[in-house]
Amino acid sequence: DAKTTQPPSMDCAEGRAANLPCNHSTISGNEYVYWYRQIHSQGPQYIIHGLKNNETNEMASLIITEDRKSSTLILPHATLRDTAVYYCIVRPDTGNQFYFGTGTSLTVIP
Amino acid sequence: KAGVTQTPRYLIKTRGQQVTLSCSPISGHRSVSWYQQTPGQGLQFLFEYFSETQRNKGNFPGRFSGRQFSNSRSEMNVSTLELGDSALYLCASSSSLLSTYGYTFGSGTRLTVV
Repeated sequence: DAKTTQPPSMDCAEGRAANLPCNHSTISGNEYVYWYRQIHSQGPQYIIHGLKNNETNEMASLIITEDRKSSTLILPHATLRDTAVYYCIVRPDTGNQFYFGTGTSLTVIP
Repeated sequence: KAGVTQTPRYLIKTRGQQVTLSCSPISGHRSVSWYQQTPGQGLQFLFEYFSETQRNKGNFPGRFSGRQFSNSRSEMNVSTLELGDSALYLCASSSSLLSTYGYTFGSGTRLTVV
């Protein structure tokens, strides 16, 4: 299963864009990149996913490099409520099992 | 529409006992997965059920088991509880296997083993 590497923590000023990087150098052609976040003691919340093209929704944008070995989640205008642990996940093409890794703890600073 | 519902929210059990946790998926979702979250190991995949059949299983001992009913509701059971089984147990549902939109998670059951 493809593994992901994320920085353990990041800070971002409120109102600024938060850019969260993820390396997934062993990703294979059929594997999707997913991003979830978890606010303290709640269940993880789906943010966005992509295969090879950049994606945008009401929460965030996902930029995937052309070689698919890394991606960046962008929260365009971070708020205090975006403080959470963000998980980058490569989902194997055999099912829904996700391997979450350690994630990035994002702190949005007023 | 209602989200993923897990019961109970909190549970305290004694070492050696067994416990059963319940999960009701989002209406229409047929895939249910279970995860264990601990401070030391993070979020770990336990197993996934679809149409009452276990489809995938994580690396946990046989004390951890589950099942899914015809209405897609799922239960997981842990027998002979150990102190290390204290964790947040999360259930997640999805409309199908390999659903593009992944999972919706419940709020979890916090199990404390004393």
